[in-house]
Amino acid sequence: EDQVTQSPEALRLQEGESSSLNCSYTVSGLRGLFWYRQDPGKGPEFLFTLYSAGEEKEKERLKATLTKKESFLHITAPKPEDSATYLCAVQVASGTYKYIFGTGTRLKVLA
Amino acid sequence: EAQVTQNPRYLITVTGKKLTVTCSQNMNHEYMSWYRQDPGLGLRQIYYSMNVEVTDKGDVPEGYKVSRKEKRNFPLILESPSPNQTSLYFCASSFWGQGGGQPQHFGDGTRLSIL
Repeated sequence: EDQVTQSPEALRLQEGESSSLNCSYTVSGLRGLFWYRQDPGKGPEFLFTLYSAGEEKEKERLKATLTKKESFLHITAPKPEDSATYLCAVQVASGTYKYIFGTGTRLKVLA
Repeated sequence: EAQVTQNPRYLITVTGKKLTVTCSQNMNHEYMSWYRQDPGLGLRQIYYSMNVEVTDKGDVPEGYKVSRKEKRNFPLILESPSPNQTSLYFCASSFWGQGGGQPQHFGDGTRLSIL
């Protein structure tokens, strides 16, 4: 069964304290892996797409990486404004065009 | 401004009273989708559409209907709503190219309460 698992569920960091969020996936085929940011009361906002193992994307303090089984979202020297829920999703390539989301990591960055 | 617009944003209704949540996008996207978001369960895909008149089930389609008569619109229909459909609903859209794998743009959500 296709599945996406994110860890940890919640993470509290001090401002400037770097860390990584994990997204592990088990799918029969991968069209793409996506990272989104979701603020309270809002829809998810797109951050990155990764398509193949070894690929990396970077934007400001965020860097996303992909292996054959998992993806990491690295946050370097986070700021309070990085506080949000980070969602990982995959689009499967098994004869359908579904998206499967993980349950997210709630990040709180303390000043 | 590129956007996905959902209406209504909030709705309280009663069991069995048919309702429709509208979704419209202005980006000429081929792919549109509906999700529900529940605590502890995350976002789950209800239905998706790859183009006009082409729809398919996601992971939780029971109790929902969709139609795609125009490229820009993708309404979600609850013919006989029940309390277990109380949730936060999101519509999303994306381009469809090179076999898929394009990022989705999300609306701001519809909070639906069914009593």
